[in-house]
Amino acid sequence: DTGVSQDPRHKITKRGQNVTFRCDPISEHNRLYWYRQTLGQGPEFLTYFQNEAQLEKSRLLSDRFSAERPKGSFSTLEIQRTEQGDSAMYLCASSHRGPYEKLFFGSGTQLSVL
Amino acid sequence: AQRVTQPEKLLSVFKGAPVELKCNYSYSGSPELFWYVQYSRQRLQLLLRHISRESIKGFTADLNKGETSFHLKKPFAQEEDSAMYYCALSGSGAGSYQLTFGKGTKLSVIP
Repeated sequence: DTGVSQDPRHKITKRGQNVTFRCDPISEHNRLYWYRQTLGQGPEFLTYFQNEAQLEKSRLLSDRFSAERPKGSFSTLEIQRTEQGDSAMYLCASSHRGPYEKLFFGSGTQLSVL
Repeated sequence: AQRVTQPEKLLSVFKGAPVELKCNYSYSGSPELFWYVQYSRQRLQLLLRHISRESIKGFTADLNKGETSFHLKKPFAQEEDSAMYYCALSGSGAGSYQLTFGKGTKLSVIP
């Protein structure tokens, strides 16, 4: 499968623990996005990378969230001191050009905070 | 602030009947609009975008700036159209890389 891949598919953690998710975009895509989706809602934008530069961050992204894309390839999203409200599906997407281009989504990481 | 409203959480139609999924938006500038679809056990994927003026799988959508709407239409629904549909908006200003999604409408096509 040459699409966007995310790991892990599911993560169960206890409140207060740190978690990290990984996203591997389509290889020729230099733009990478993270979204979060809760039950009954559409995806909400979290952050955007162009190559290794993080160019946009949502106000939804608290200080406990950090994202990196160190070499402009894969990206990680870390949540520190998880809270029950962090429980959601975390989606990664990539695109070849700008925001008007087609976004290719991964299958997501489902996080459950107990 | 940009906002997308999809007023129907669930829409059920019979096979062969016309389909219209409603989408209204709020944005002060000139937006770009999209429809994304998620079939059962599949990833979210682009169905169509206003900028391309395309028709995909028999679906079309017309941007009505006066009514700030981008409704998705298909003249004859098929069972394989059953899915979750999300309308999304991208701002046209500099640095507007984010898509704002609606809450989605679940389309169920009854055989």
